[in-house]
Amino acid sequence: SAVISQKPSRDICQRGTSLTIQCQVDSQVTMMFWYRQQPGQSLTLIATANQGSEATYESGFVIDKFPISRPNLTFSTLTVSNMSPEDSSIYLCSVGRMNTEAFFGQGTRLTVV
Amino acid sequence: AQSVSQHNHHVILSEAASLELGCNYSYGGTVNLFWYVQYPGQHLQLLLKYFSGDPLVKGIKGFEAEFIKSKFSFNLRKPSVQWSDTAEYFCAVSISYNTDKLIFGTGTRLQVFP
Repeated sequence: SAVISQKPSRDICQRGTSLTIQCQVDSQVTMMFWYRQQPGQSLTLIATANQGSEATYESGFVIDKFPISRPNLTFSTLTVSNMSPEDSSIYLCSVGRMNTEAFFGQGTRLTVV
Repeated sequence: AQSVSQHNHHVILSEAASLELGCNYSYGGTVNLFWYVQYPGQHLQLLLKYFSGDPLVKGIKGFEAEFIKSKFSFNLRKPSVQWSDTAEYFCAVSISYNTDKLIFGTGTRLQVFP
């Protein structure tokens, strides 16, 4: 298993500002994933955070809006930039190992006002 | 593009009723299949998973799911639901052995009344 800690657990931010979310895993993992869960909706993958290379973004998500860092095998950050109310969501960090389940952090509940 | 469909968006049952939630995916290759549950105010938890072998898999809390390859389906079942099963249920698919990246369905909200 993997234990994932996310910070902050929640935040209320002003539009136009940026928020950086941290994700710490208790063991080394190759791939880390960032998901977004908009109110009342399912999880959508934002990007895959690769250690030692740039993150791989899914369709509809861009690096300028969601820059990601992955400095080592246990840590990643996701920044939500120039926020608008539409960015209000739960952001989740996830890790998985080949042919095992994915583990999720408790999420960061972001409200943009 | 690969996708996961959950046809039941909102299901309301009485306790002891049987449950079946549908999940279909679109991908012709090898897949890993998952059901996750999200109880109110809590984070995602794995109910069960299928990688290979017996297509009927049993998970926690009395849940089971059957993988039918010909139908691209992985339906979740429970013979007798409880009030504590009230939650959001998500079907998910991993299509790569290398990344474990998940594609989620839209979720099914289950409400169980005593």
